[in-house]
Amino acid sequence: EAGVVQSPRYKIIEKKQPVAFWCNPISGHNTLYWYLQNLGQGPELLIRYENEEAVDDSQLPKDRFSAERLKGVDSTLKIQPAELGDSAVYLCASSFNGGAIYNEQFFGPGTRLTVL
Amino acid sequence: AQSVTQLGSHVSVSEGALVLLRCNYSSSVPPYLFWYVQYPNQGLQLLLKYTTGATLVKGINGFEAEFKKSETSFHLTKPSAHMSDAAEYFCAVSDGPYNNNDMRFGAGTRLTVKP
Repeated sequence: EAGVVQSPRYKIIEKKQPVAFWCNPISGHNTLYWYLQNLGQGPELLIRYENEEAVDDSQLPKDRFSAERLKGVDSTLKIQPAELGDSAVYLCASSFNGGAIYNEQFFGPGTRLTVL
Repeated sequence: AQSVTQLGSHVSVSEGALVLLRCNYSSSVPPYLFWYVQYPNQGLQLLLKYTTGATLVKGINGFEAEFKKSETSFHLTKPSAHMSDAAEYFCAVSDGPYNNNDMRFGAGTRLTVKP
């Protein structure tokens, strides 16, 4: 079974340019997460989707970041315009939330963004 | 809100030596606790988790961790380090069954294994 797929794996852009990251979760997983991982830090949640609905986006900087999960499967995270401080790894994870008390999150390999 | 503190951003051990990575948590409700491993340029992989029941939990690759409520700790151990254990390790906590989707990670500990 394929894991969480992310693309691109690496992206280098100049500041003020837009950038987009794509995530394909594990088949059947209804919950999707985007995390930000700064160098030397643990992941921090940006947004969580239950199917198509963003149920937790409190940590998403909405002035420049946006996300969508059309049809409740793939998701795209966009930054426009990018700033130097956005250089980081963007991780996508997915889980199946079927009402159990614990739903394991499976992580993709991440997209490493460098803003010059 | 829950939080995690990992003591020591870098730990170095010799091959065959004991591995001990420290994690302390803060949570207002009974927590769920996790250890993840991250190899270079890869995503996070779950090593082990504590949800309920036995406080000593065993994970993959010979790792184990013990939930100590009185010490609010969840330290990760392995009796004998292997070169392949060199990686970044993250401790994480969630609000148990109340909200296990909201997982907070520590800053990570980089483990180096010397030959």
